[in-house]
Amino acid sequence: EVQLVESGGGLVQPGRSLKLSCAASGFTFSNYYMAWVRQAPKKGLEWVATISTSGSRTYYPDSVKGRFTISRDNAKSSLYLQMNSLKSEDTATYYCAIFRYGYFDYWGQGVMVTVSS
Amino acid sequence: DIQMTQSPASLSASLGETVSIECLASEGISNDLAWYQQKSGKSPQLLIYAASRLQDGVPSRFSGSGSGTRYSLKISGMQPEDEADYFCQQSYKYPPTFGAGTKLELK
Repeated sequence: EVQLVESGGGLVQPGRSLKLSCAASGFTFSNYYMAWVRQAPKKGLEWVATISTSGSRTYYPDSVKGRFTISRDNAKSSLYLQMNSLKSEDTATYYCAIFRYGYFDYWGQGVMVTVSS
Repeated sequence: DIQMTQSPASLSASLGETVSIECLASEGISNDLAWYQQKSGKSPQLLIYAASRLQDGVPSRFSGSGSGTRYSLKISGMQPEDEADYFCQQSYKYPPTFGAGTKLELK
């Protein structure tokens, strides 16, 4: 069974950093592109980052480019999201997901990030 | 970026009623469209991809159709467990973008 378990969320002040992790199991992690998607409270979904199977290619929307970095450790079946210079508008639940053929196949349960002073 | 306009924003349906949700893309997306279901307090789940292909395990009462810029999700016979938010998403061009969502409630 595919399992994606996010961790590392919490309350952080504006301008500070936070690193999210996602532990994957139940599938061959190294064979799949992975992604992060976020959802602000009571709002819609926003794609945040995608990474290729080897980690050599990464993609971001303009809203986080230069501040967020997606990475992976295939040996540990783990996905990461380093978030720097956090803003209040980054407050959201962050989901890791398997990204296949342009779609988000399976999603984790999500982790909440609150950016507030 | 491709804008996805979803309608209606909310609707309520009776048990067994057929429901339709629509998604309009700001440009043609060549059937590169998915639908997700998100139940209250849960993460989204992929229902349909490539506009009309059912994800494994999804009940056959769910179906997708459309072409060009207009796409729709149909639920043939509303069930209590279908009460959820539904989102469309285009995968035709980066960045992948989502519709604002439709809240479906059981009447």
